[in-house]
Amino acid sequence: DADVTQTPRNRITKTGKRIMLECSQTKGHDRMYWYRQDPGLGLQLIYYSFDVKDINKGEISDGYSVSRQAQAKFSLSLESAIPNQTALYFCATSDPTSFAETQYFGPGTRLLVL
Amino acid sequence: GENVEQHPSTLSVQEGDSAVIKCTYSDSASNYFPWYKQELGKGPQLIIDIRSNVGEKKDQRIAVTLNKTAKHFSLHITETQPEDSAVYFCAASIEFGNEKLTFGTGTRLTIIP
Repeated sequence: DADVTQTPRNRITKTGKRIMLECSQTKGHDRMYWYRQDPGLGLQLIYYSFDVKDINKGEISDGYSVSRQAQAKFSLSLESAIPNQTALYFCATSDPTSFAETQYFGPGTRLLVL
Repeated sequence: GENVEQHPSTLSVQEGDSAVIKCTYSDSASNYFPWYKQELGKGPQLIIDIRSNVGEKKDQRIAVTLNKTAKHFSLHITETQPEDSAVYFCAASIEFGNEKLTFGTGTRLTIIP
C-alpha cells in the first residue's frame, strides 16, 4: 500500500552495527506498529505506538528501540545488530476511530545481518 | 496472552477446487478475527474479518466461519484461481480493548493450474 512506505527496502549490515529502519504514512492514522516476520513464525509485534507520546513494547522488543518523531513517522532501530535479527520487517498503521481497526501494512524491509 | 495456532502451514489445491485454512485461539475474550493475505514481495492486506457476534461471513468466493465455543475459526476459498496463491494469516484481538493483533504462523497456499 503506497500510503505506508518503508525505507530502505533491503539492507545488508554487519554484526554490531547500529541501523535504523524508517516508516512513513500518509493515512493520517494515530496508531503505528513494527512487526518482524520469520519463516514459520508469522508476524511478531516488536513495538507499537498509539500516538506521538506513546511507546509500548510488544512480544519481542529486546535488542530494538523505536522513535515516534511525528504522527506520520515511526522508526525502528537495532542498536547493535546480530545475525538472528535477520528477518523481514513490516510497519503498519491503524485508525482507532474506525469500527473495524484494520491494520495497513507497508511493503516491508528485508534485513540481512552478517 | 493470546495464542493463535494456524493449520496447515502449506496447502496446494487444483484450480477450481476449494481451500480451507483453520485457526484456533486461546483467549476467550478475543472478539475480532481478521484474515490477511500476503502476496510475494508485499505486506499483508486484510481480505475479510469476523466478529464474535456472528458465526459466518461471506464476500464473493471467500467466507469465514467462527465457533466461539470451540475457539476456532476458518477461512474458506471456493472456486480457487491462480491469483489466490499467497500466504494467508489469521489473527485475533480484543476489539475496543488493547486492539493488538496476535497472528497465526501463516499458510502458504498454492493453486495448481
